[in-house]
Amino acid sequence: AQTVTQSQPEMSVQEAETVTLSCTYDTSESDYYLFWYKQPPSRQMILVIRQEAYKQQNATENRFSVNFQKAAKSFSLKISDSQLGDAAMYFCAYRSDAGGTSYGKLTFGQGTILTVHP
Amino acid sequence: AAGVIQSPRHLIKEKRETATLKCYPIPRHDTVYWYQQGPGQDPQFLISFYEKMQSDKGSIPDRFSAQQFSDYHSELNMSSLELGDSALYFCASSAGGWTGELFFGEGSRLTVL
Repeated sequence: AQTVTQSQPEMSVQEAETVTLSCTYDTSESDYYLFWYKQPPSRQMILVIRQEAYKQQNATENRFSVNFQKAAKSFSLKISDSQLGDAAMYFCAYRSDAGGTSYGKLTFGQGTILTVHP
Repeated sequence: AAGVIQSPRHLIKEKRETATLKCYPIPRHDTVYWYQQGPGQDPQFLISFYEKMQSDKGSIPDRFSAQQFSDYHSELNMSSLELGDSALYFCASSAGGWTGELFFGEGSRLTVL
């Protein structure tokens, strides 16, 4: 079974600064997807960024980028120019691309609460 | 754009009662997933359906059951409710089976007293 670990329960950053959230995972599969989801106080789960394991290039979405190290099974999220609206719980998630009985389900990490100070 | 609709948004029940949560996926999405998120916890996968058939099953208690109907909406039925069932229940939908991106609803918050 796959596991996802976020070792930082809480992180804080000053507005306009950069912060990196860490995530490691364990899997024996070679084909998979990795995601970062944001859960603001409204509680809705919002997709921030996704990475296909077969792609060597790190994904980027505006101020959000990832550092994907497949061999190390590491998948960190970098938020640049942090904004007050970035404050939320961030979840790292794994999704198998191998089909079988793990059809599409996400396995989440424990989450990291990000606080943004003005 | 249409999103995943969950109802009710909030539900309060007594112990040993029954609750039903509903999920209406994005139009033309064929796959529905249910997750349970306890207070301060990460979401845990419960069950999923693809084309109205159960496709995967996670840590769903035997007291819970779910199905996907012909119009692709899904219902999660929870019986003999326990205090520990108090949680946020998310539904997500995707198109193209297990390869599609998951879109989450806003969740249904169940409180068991």
